[in-house]
Amino acid sequence: KAGVTQTPRYLIKTRGQQVTLSCSPISGHRSVSWYQQTPGQGLQFLFEYFSETQRNKGNFPGRFSGRQFSNSRSEMNVSTLELGDSALYLCASSLTGTATNEKLFFGSGTQLSVL
Amino acid sequence: GDSVTQMEGPVTLSEEAFLTINCTYTATGYPSLFWYVQYPGEGLQLLLKATKADDKGSNKGFEATYRKETTSFHLEKGSVQVSDSAVYFCALSDLTGTASKLTFGTGTRLQVTL
Repeated sequence: KAGVTQTPRYLIKTRGQQVTLSCSPISGHRSVSWYQQTPGQGLQFLFEYFSETQRNKGNFPGRFSGRQFSNSRSEMNVSTLELGDSALYLCASSLTGTATNEKLFFGSGTQLSVL
Repeated sequence: GDSVTQMEGPVTLSEEAFLTINCTYTATGYPSLFWYVQYPGEGLQLLLKATKADDKGSNKGFEATYRKETTSFHLEKGSVQVSDSAVYFCALSDLTGTASKLTFGTGTRLQVTL
């Protein structure tokens, strides 16, 4: 069974640009969540999608958005990039995201560098 | 809001030494608690978890006990190996128990030497 796949693995952008990151969850998983990992702030929850609807949202500005498709694949978009957006963006999937005994599976992440 | 506090790293140990990584939390009610591990260049992997007070999670020689009275979930291993070198994250779920929305600690880097 394939794991969580994130593309691209590395990305370099300049300030003001926008970027789209992609995440393919494990087959059968319907919940996809996104996290930002930085040396200073650690891992912070961005948002979670289930059945093409955003179900949970973290404390990030509106420049950060996402969506989920009918096949559960998800994308996140960051507009008007700032230097502080440089981070490892991790995607995680689970079956439903609502059961405490569910396991969360993480992808290897997309390393975004903003110059 | 919920928060997780981990001991600062890096932690450097010799192979076969005893490991403790401290983790305390602040949360309303009784969240589920997790330890995740991140190897270089990889995403996070669930190491172990506990869903209620006094539960002990264990995996690959690591263990942690959910202590409600001290709001702690310390990670321990009796004899570490070089292959255990990684960053370890303590995390909790929110009140809804939603597995997909976790609050993480800042991570503790473990370096094991021969």
